[in-house]
Amino acid sequence: AQRVTQPEKLLSVFKGAPVELKCNYSYSGSPELFWYVQYSRQRLQLLLRHISRESIKGFTADLNKGETSFHLKKPFAQEEDSAMYYCALSEVGGGSYIPTFGRGTSLIVHP
Amino acid sequence: DTGVSQDPRHKITKRGQNVTFRCDPISEHNRLYWYRQTLGQGPEFLTYFQNEAQLEKSRLLSDRFSAERPKGSFSTLEIQRTEQGDSAMYLCASSPIAGRYNEQFFGPGTRLTVL
Repeated sequence: AQRVTQPEKLLSVFKGAPVELKCNYSYSGSPELFWYVQYSRQRLQLLLRHISRESIKGFTADLNKGETSFHLKKPFAQEEDSAMYYCALSEVGGGSYIPTFGRGTSLIVHP
Repeated sequence: DTGVSQDPRHKITKRGQNVTFRCDPISEHNRLYWYRQTLGQGPEFLTYFQNEAQLEKSRLLSDRFSAERPKGSFSTLEIQRTEQGDSAMYLCASSPIAGRYNEQFFGPGTRLTVL
């Protein structure tokens, strides 16, 4: 069964500090991985997907199949980055499709 | 179209009552998902539709839970004989099959409180 683990419930940093939100997964097939973000009083929204290999709002995430990880990184955190971040995995292709989310990490960026 | 909408936003009910939630996806999206989210947890997948076909329902929490999408547009999630443990946020999401593959667009959720 697929599983997503976000080991930190809370990550607290100061503005300008580097940020790394950890995500580990277990899945026997070829996964597609995402980071979703939920800002205060807003709905859950996609931040980035591993297949796109893009940087969004200064965030990047690299899929490491050897370590089964998809950590989210930003070199210099900003106060507006404060939010809940969820790592998610989905089966690639059709068939029985069950997306799996981690429990989330709350990022707080202090001024 | 302003995105995925859900109705009601909040529902308070007494234990044993039935409740029904509605989700209106983004109009051109074929896939529609239902999730439950409890405090301190991420969204927990319940079921999903592709057009009107319910392709996965093994994760519905019990036989008290059912979902429909009769015309391939809006969907309803019904919980019969509610229990206090059903109190949670119920999220709906939709996605296109083509385009940004598998990206999901979420609604604001329906918060259920069972007294």
